[in-house]
Amino acid sequence: EPEVTQTPSHQVTQMGQEVILRCVPISNHLYFYWYRQILGQKVEFLVSFYNNEISEKSEIFDDQFSVERPDGSNFTLKIRSTKLEDSAMYFCASSRRTTTGELFFGEGSRLTVL
Amino acid sequence: GQQLNQSPQSMFIQEGEDVSMNCTSSSIFNTWLWYKQDPGEGPVLLIALYKAGELTSNGRLTAQFGITRKDSFLNISASIPSDVGIYFCAGHDNAGNMLTFGGGTRLMVKP
Repeated sequence: EPEVTQTPSHQVTQMGQEVILRCVPISNHLYFYWYRQILGQKVEFLVSFYNNEISEKSEIFDDQFSVERPDGSNFTLKIRSTKLEDSAMYFCASSRRTTTGELFFGEGSRLTVL
Repeated sequence: GQQLNQSPQSMFIQEGEDVSMNCTSSSIFNTWLWYKQDPGEGPVLLIALYKAGELTSNGRLTAQFGITRKDSFLNISASIPSDVGIYFCAGHDNAGNMLTFGGGTRLMVKP
């Protein structure tokens, strides 16, 4: 069964460093998302991406964050200068359509900022 | 922003018992969804509801989309140990691309 894959599964970084989290969405999906889950809290929307551009973003997704689809398969989230409060599980998701909310999530990348 | 209030926050039940959890919102959603998250993994879609009043089953799971479009519940019948996990409700308003998640219900099942 097709699935969303994410790398790395866990990354530890120093505060102020740049981090890139990578995702391979399901191949016939057109809509891509990043969500974040701080330990023990709910899943929060960061950004959605369609047709090579951001379609929606939350207040969390400030100038330190960027997303890119550098080729036909990868979808990346970059955090330019990490802060302690960026420590969280980051989930990539994809969907065929945008109107139903039926998202397929990856297993997540745990980011620990020291 | 939109907020979903999910209750209970946690439940510790005996295997074989039925479970009920619910979500309420101050605003209307056009789609309600229920996801399950196992430890160390991403959320997995269990049930999606598209119409107010809709009642949908998926095996031992039953979910309903409230008439007001501001609430939903999920029932699990005859719980088993593999039902352990965190259950999240989520709302989608069709106006945008984002899902709004509830705070989750952590379910623990005692064999």
